[in-house]
Amino acid sequence: RKEVEQDPGPFNVPEGATVAFNCTYSNSASQSFFWYRQDCRKEPKLLMSVYSSGNEDGRFTAQLNRASQYISLLIRDSKLSDSATYLCVVNMYGAGNNRKLIWGLGTSLAVNP
Amino acid sequence: DGGITQSPKYLFRKEGQNVTLSCEQNLNHDAMYWYRQDPGQGLRLIYYSQIVNDFQKGDIAEGYSVSREKKESFPLTVTSAQKNPTAFYLCASSTDRGALRELFFGEGSRLTVL
Repeated sequence: RKEVEQDPGPFNVPEGATVAFNCTYSNSASQSFFWYRQDCRKEPKLLMSVYSSGNEDGRFTAQLNRASQYISLLIRDSKLSDSATYLCVVNMYGAGNNRKLIWGLGTSLAVNP
Repeated sequence: DGGITQSPKYLFRKEGQNVTLSCEQNLNHDAMYWYRQDPGQGLRLIYYSQIVNDFQKGDIAEGYSVSREKKESFPLTVTSAQKNPTAFYLCASSTDRGALRELFFGEGSRLTVL
């Protein structure tokens, strides 16, 4: 089982749609969770951190389910500019008991006019 | 403006040549990272540094070398020993040495080995 798994998509949705992505992680001791957005051939940029109680930033809502070991991202009222790859990132313990970030492969979203 | 600057943005080299990619940050961050991204693959950690004059191997360090002589600088050398060097290289920094907080990325360096 991969440490962080995402459905690669692509998700093709019309403008205005609501779309949700899930990401599962394998290490129950993970402490930090993030969603990053990456545009084609660009660097990843933080979209939002994911907190235990869930958090919202405008049209974006992130949830964490520790019992089932997954995080989710909900995008409401999709815009054309939301088209990108969404990367799930989880903090885990690696070799030597050091914490490190594990990156999912990303979920591709295309919002169509 | 604070941020991370990577250079060059695009680089072409012949096989067998060493290449050094620059990464400079003025965010006063302690931790710096080098990642590699290939098509269809997630970001893979090459090296990281939690503090000046110290750095650690990541998951795919073979064929790469780094230095951290100054807090703001973390150059990556892609040596001739790296078998598949063509990739998108990303430098990042963070306030937190334990990878608990967000990473800030540079715009990346795209290396093509001919």
